[in-house]
Amino acid sequence: EIVLTQSPATLSLSPGERATLSCRASQSVGSYLAWFQQKPGQAPRLLIYDASNRATGIPARFSGSGSGTDFTLTISSLDPEDFAVYYCQQRNSWPPWTFGQGTKVEV
Amino acid sequence: EVQLVETGGGLFQPGGSLRLSCAASGFTVSSNYMTWVRQAPGKGLEWVSTLYSGGSTYYADSVKGRFTVSRDNSKKTLFLQMNSLRAEDTAVYYCAIEYKTTWLDYWGQGTLVTVSS
Repeated sequence: EIVLTQSPATLSLSPGERATLSCRASQSVGSYLAWFQQKPGQAPRLLIYDASNRATGIPARFSGSGSGTDFTLTISSLDPEDFAVYYCQQRNSWPPWTFGQGTKVEV
Repeated sequence: EVQLVETGGGLFQPGGSLRLSCAASGFTVSSNYMTWVRQAPGKGLEWVSTLYSGGSTYYADSVKGRFTVSRDNSKKTLFLQMNSLRAEDTAVYYCAIEYKTTWLDYWGQGTLVTVSS
């Protein structure tokens, strides 16, 4: 089973600042990595898929990069609505599909 | 418009059973991979099960032998039969599909299952 480790666990930033979130895989997942955003009481929302492709309707301030074992989600300038928990997920080696433990972006 | 609506959650006793439903609209159930993901209170996301369009099923080790995923194409509904319930099955259960991408790009709102005596 591929383990995804996200860091940091919590990121404390202010609106307008740049956020950089990391996801590291225990073995290579190629480019088969996605990022999800989840706000309290809501279902997760797909942001980035295949490491660097924005999903439909996702603002350009969200970008993804990386391949193999190291991946980054960058939010170029935090909007107040971006404060949430972010999860990475891999599908290179499954089952099981695995998720990271999440990074909380807080004010 | 794609919509997924989960029902069937509630309070259940350890060792008991329940069946979750996920009513789908806006797409053909039989043509899409459909997945259950759960989230224990205050915890992260955990993949539970996937049903392929061709009928193949996959389960997390934590639920294998206890949970069964199925669908009714005529009713446009995905099911998750949950037997031998444990306290650690307590979670919000989401159904999700791969629609525009090969990732879970549409999700339901979730249904809470609580297993407690």
